[in-house]
Amino acid sequence: NAGVTQTPKFQVLKTGQSMTLQCAQDMNHEYMSWYRQDPGMGLRLIHYSVGAGITDQGEVPNGYNVSRSTTEDFPLRLLSAAPSQTSVYFCASSYSYRAENAEAFFGQGTRLTVV
Amino acid sequence: GQQVMQIPQYQHVQEGEDFTTYCNSSTTLSNIQWYKQRPGGHPVFLIQLVKSGEVKKQKRLTFQFGEAKKNSSLHITATQTTDVGTYFCSGGGADGLTFGKGTHLIIQP
Repeated sequence: NAGVTQTPKFQVLKTGQSMTLQCAQDMNHEYMSWYRQDPGMGLRLIHYSVGAGITDQGEVPNGYNVSRSTTEDFPLRLLSAAPSQTSVYFCASSYSYRAENAEAFFGQGTRLTVV
Repeated sequence: GQQVMQIPQYQHVQEGEDFTTYCNSSTTLSNIQWYKQRPGGHPVFLIQLVKSGEVKKQKRLTFQFGEAKKNSSLHITATQTTDVGTYFCSGGGADGLTFGKGTHLIIQP
C-alpha cells in the first residue's frame, strides 16, 4: 500500500517556467488537497478537491492550477513560477474532511526553489 | 473562510516538563485533528476528535475538544526528546481542511 505518492522531491525552476507537481493516492480517498509550508506560516491550503471533477480554491490559490480527472490523481500546476513560490509543497488525501475518518495522509513533500 | 489559530508558536521546555498547545477556531468545527511533524518530515496524523467535550489519551498525550467545538488542546506529560517537532491542529469545515500555524516544541535535555 503506497499511500500518497508525491513527485518530484526536489525541483529548481527559473522564474517564468511552468511545471506540474504530481500527487497520486491508492486509498480511494475522496478528498485531496495541496498545501505549501513556509517558515512561520504553517500549512496553507492552496486548492482542494472533494471528488473527481470537483476542485475549489483554498487560502492561497493564485499562481496555481489543479484538476481532478480521476479519484487517484491530483496534480498541481505552477503556471509561471515566481520566487515567492519557493516553498515546500505537500499533497494530502483523506476519506473525507467533514466527517469521521477524516485522517489526512501526506506525501513526502516537494522542496521547490524558484530562482 | 474558517481560520484555525494555534498558540504558542514556539515552546521551549526542559526534558521532563509538561507541554500544552491550544487551538482555536473562528467557526464551529465538524471535527478536529492533531498532527506531528518531525524536522524535515511530513505531518503525521495523531488523533481525531469529533464529539463536543471529547477527551482522548495516547500514553503521555491528552487531547481535548471544547464543548462548543471551537477549541482544542494537546497536553504532553513529562516530555521526552522524541517529542520534538511541530504540532498542528486541523479543523474540518466548509472550506476544506485548514491547519493552524503549528507549535514548535523544543526540548532541552
